[in-house]
Amino acid sequence: EIVLTQSPGTLSLSPGERATLSCRASQSVSSQLAWYQQKPGQAPRLLIYDASSRATGTPDRFSGSGSGTDFTLTISRLEAEDFAVYFCQQYDNSHATFGQGTKVEIK
Amino acid sequence: EVQLVESGGGLVQPGGSLRISCAASGITFNMYAMAWVRQAPGKGLEWVTTITGSGGSTYYADSVQGRFTVSRDNFVDTLYLQMNSLGAEDTAVYYCAKVPPNVYYWYMDVWGKGTTVTVSS
Repeated sequence: EIVLTQSPGTLSLSPGERATLSCRASQSVSSQLAWYQQKPGQAPRLLIYDASSRATGTPDRFSGSGSGTDFTLTISRLEAEDFAVYFCQQYDNSHATFGQGTKVEIK
Repeated sequence: EVQLVESGGGLVQPGGSLRISCAASGITFNMYAMAWVRQAPGKGLEWVTTITGSGGSTYYADSVQGRFTVSRDNFVDTLYLQMNSLGAEDTAVYYCAKVPPNVYYWYMDVWGKGTTVTVSS
């Protein structure tokens, strides 16, 4: 099983600041990585797929980068609606796995 | 607009069974693989199973292999998850999710709101 480790666990930032979230895979997943946003009481929402492609409706302040084992989700300038939990997910094989999540909270 | 609506969750005793459903609308259902993903209270996301558009192939997480069965009825645009031998570790919100077309393996681009399964005596 491919293990995804997200860091940090919690990111405390103010609106307007830049957020950098990390996802590290235990083995290479090529570019087969997605990012999701989840707000309390809601279902996850796809933000990024194929490591760097924005899903329909994803604002351009969200960007994804990386390949192999190291990936980054960057939010260029945080807006109020961006405070949420973010999960990465690999789909390099038939057994998809998720990271444990990074919570972006208001400082 | 694509909509996925889960139903059938509830309270079940340990060792019991439950079948949950997901009704799809706004898509040509048989063209898409579908997945179930669960989230235990206060925890992260766990992929459970995927079924191809035709229903001909299914894939399961090790944690549910042999206990859960995914199926679909493409005539009524509905996805199912039959869960047997349930334990407390299966308590979670179960999300139905659509897989994009033409992908080799799956990420999920549309999610339902989820249905809650609680395993407790």
